[in-house]
Parts: sequence; C-alpha cells; structure tokens
Amino acid sequence: SAVISQKPSRDICQRGTSLTIQCQVDSQVTMMFWYRQQPGQSLTLIATANQGSEATYESGFVIDKFPISRPNLTFSTLTVSNMSPEDSSIYLCSVWGAGAEAFFGQGTRLTVV
Amino acid sequence: GNSVTQMEGPVTLSEEAFLTINCTYTATGYPSLFWYVQYPGEGLQLLLKATKADDKGSNKGFEATYRKETTSFHLEKGSVQVSDSAVYFCALSGGVDSSYKLIFGSGTRLLVRP
Repeated sequence: SAVISQKPSRDICQRGTSLTIQCQVDSQVTMMFWYRQQPGQSLTLIATANQGSEATYESGFVIDKFPISRPNLTFSTLTVSNMSPEDSSIYLCSVWGAGAEAFFGQGTRLTVV
Repeated sequence: GNSVTQMEGPVTLSEEAFLTINCTYTATGYPSLFWYVQYPGEGLQLLLKATKADDKGSNKGFEATYRKETTSFHLEKGSVQVSDSAVYFCALSGGVDSSYKLIFGSGTRLLVRP
C-alpha cells in the first residue's frame, strides 16, 4: 500500500488568489495523479504528473490554471490559480500501488469566496 | 472512450437489508474494475477490485463479480450496517485508452437507518 499526505486539508480562499496543494507519498512512484471532485459530483482527472517531464493534462484542464510541479519521485504540487467560486472542490492526489490499485490522499477541501 | 454508469442515489435501507448498487461500463480491451468508498468527510478508500472476467472481488462483506458478457460490476452486501453509510464509486482503468487513468461513475450515496 501507499500512504499519501496532502496539505492543506482544507482552505477558504478569496477569489483571484492562488492556492498550492502539496502531496507527499511514502514511496517512490513514477506517476502521480491529481483529481477534482466538485460538490456532489464524481471524480475527474485533472492531470498526470511524471517526474522529470511536463504534466499531461486532461481535456478541459490547462497548465495556466492548474500548474503542477513534480520535483522528485515522492512529491508533487498542484496550484489552483486565479480562483473563482467555481473552483470550490475537493482536490485529491493519487498514486498506483504495486498491487494494481490506486491510493488516494485525504483530499484538500477548497472553498473560494 | 471508456465510461462507467452507476445507479443514481440516494439509496436508503434499513439495517440488515440486502444491498445492490448497479454498475455497468463501456471499454475497449480488458479493463480492471474497482469499487471505492468515501465515508463522510474522508478521502477515497479502495473497497474491492477485479482484474479479469469472472473475478469476484470481496471485502468487509461486500462482493462484486466482473461480468464481461453484461459489462457489469454490481456491488452487493447481504446485510448492511449503519456504518456502511457512505458514497460508493464504481471505477475502471486500463483497456486500450489508458492503463492508469481511473474513470469513475457518478457515485451512489447509501444511507442505512437503524
């Protein structure tokens, strides 16, 4: 299994500002994934973060809005830029374990006011 | 592309009732199938998985069988408890589209009353 720590667990932010979410994994992994869960909705993949290369973004998500860093094999950050109330969501970091199953962090609950 | 369809909730049951949450999928190739559970205020936890046709995943009294002929992965439990109240997500990965990208269903909220 993998243990994933996310920070912050929750935040309330003013519109127009940016928030950086950190994700720390207790083992080295090639790929880290960032998901968004809008209120009452399912999870949608934002991007895949590979160490040493640019993140790969899913349709509807762009680097200017959600820049991602991946400085090493155990850590990644997701920034939500120029926030609006529509960005209020839970953001989750995920990795795959050796047993072919995905593990998730506890999530960052973001409220934009 | 790949997709997952879940029965809409909320599902409200009395304690010890039988639970079924339907899940069907569309995928090219041979995806792996998962059920995740999200308890109130918490992140996602893997409940069970199946990686090939006819596999049965099971955990904590929950079961689901990978049925390729009906492209289904329905979640069942014989006797639910109040502590099972949560949101359940069916998901798939793999197939031709992408090995590691998880595609989630819309989620089904289960409320179990004493």
